[in-house]
Amino acid sequence: SQTIHQWPATLVQPVGSPLSLECTVEGTSNPNLYWYRQAAGRGLQLLFYSVGIGQISSEVPQNLSASRPQDRQFILSSKKLLLSDSGFYLCAWSRTGQETQYFGPGTRLLVL
Amino acid sequence: GDSVTQMEGPVTLSEEAFLTINCTYTATGYPSLFWYVQYPGEGLQLLLKATKADDKGSNKGFEATYRKETTSFHLEKGSVQVSDSAVYFCALSEGRQGFSFIFGKGTRLLVKP
Repeated sequence: SQTIHQWPATLVQPVGSPLSLECTVEGTSNPNLYWYRQAAGRGLQLLFYSVGIGQISSEVPQNLSASRPQDRQFILSSKKLLLSDSGFYLCAWSRTGQETQYFGPGTRLLVL
Repeated sequence: GDSVTQMEGPVTLSEEAFLTINCTYTATGYPSLFWYVQYPGEGLQLLLKATKADDKGSNKGFEATYRKETTSFHLEKGSVQVSDSAVYFCALSEGRQGFSFIFGKGTRLLVKP
């Protein structure tokens, strides 16, 4: 069976500090991968998606970036965090050619 | 563009009450429709889905029917439990690659004993 992991689960960072959130998927190969942000009281906003190693598409311009160094690893990064980057970050995957997305447990980020 | 509209919450019900959470959508093509559930502090879990008109998705006592004529996908459950308290998201997808997922803003359900 497939599983998706995210870490850390919770993170408190000062404004201006760097960020690295990691997501890994097990039990499947060549998945599509996604990063979403869920701000308090709002829906899910798609930030990035990837259909393969090194292939990243950005949906929303911001100070965040994503990378996919391995087939089942997806990393969300920032060089300098802003207060507005606080939120709940969710990673998801789907099988190539299929629509259903499966979500990880999420990382709660608080920028102070 | 495509969009999903959900009823605003919170929805507060007593245990064993009937649940309806409304969801309507706009889309240019023929999307697949989904309901996801998010329990406190967790990620989203797929609850049910329907891929074409008149399909009914069902899981754990929840049901939703894809109504093309009314562009709706309302979530229903005959008898809610306290453990159903969560946030429910309606979503659509028009692309087989998945990156065209559009989510509603979510509806919080609180079930009281």
